[in-house]
Amino acid sequence: EVQLVQSGAEVKKPGESLKISCKGSGYSFTSYWIGWVRQMPGKGLEWMGIIYPGDSDTRYSPSFQGQVTISADKSISTAYLQWSSLKASDTAMYYCARHGASEVAGTVYYYGMDVWGQGTTVTVSS
Amino acid sequence: DIVMTQSPDSLAVSLGERATINCKSSQSVLYSSNNKNYLAWYQQKPGQPPKLLIYWASTRESGVPDRFSGSGSGTDFTLTISSLQAEDVAVYYCQQYYSTPLYSFGQGTKLEIK
Repeated sequence: EVQLVQSGAEVKKPGESLKISCKGSGYSFTSYWIGWVRQMPGKGLEWMGIIYPGDSDTRYSPSFQGQVTISADKSISTAYLQWSSLKASDTAMYYCARHGASEVAGTVYYYGMDVWGQGTTVTVSS
Repeated sequence: DIVMTQSPDSLAVSLGERATINCKSSQSVLYSSNNKNYLAWYQQKPGQPPKLLIYWASTRESGVPDRFSGSGSGTDFTLTISSLQAEDVAVYYCQQYYSTPLYSFGQGTKLEIK
């Protein structure tokens, strides 16, 4: 079974650092882009960025560039999202998700996010 | 950056009736080299992660009931539920994956039973 399993809920204070994880299984982890999506309480989905674990190519939304770091360790099929100094406004649910892929005539096309983690709740409060 | 705008923000439809959700992108998401629209639709129920319903604007994800369909091209897209079921109550999002570094989502449309 293809799945992404995220690390557990976190409660942190402003200014603290945090790294949450997303472990893939059941597929070739290095061959699919993994994205991170934020959902603040009662709000919509915000795309944060993606990483290709095969070569660690990483892209960030301008809104999140410099605010978070996305990384991956392909040896353990795990992607990460980290903060160096949390703010109260980082309180949200964070999802990782895989971008689906299909191959046509030798070309791989990546499409929507077809497999999602269960989400990690991050609460930042003094 | 491409901005995705959905309409309406909320929608109430009777069971068995058709539900239609629209999504407009600020620029075309049709990639001319492969003639594919880089547009996906998701369903999110309370307390759950989103679920992919449609990609390439009109390709149904495996296991998604055929009452869900996607249409449109370029900048204007539609998600249609042909006969609303109680389990379809959810928030629906469109997303473009045409242009990095921001694969933007629409703001969401809340679908309820009338």
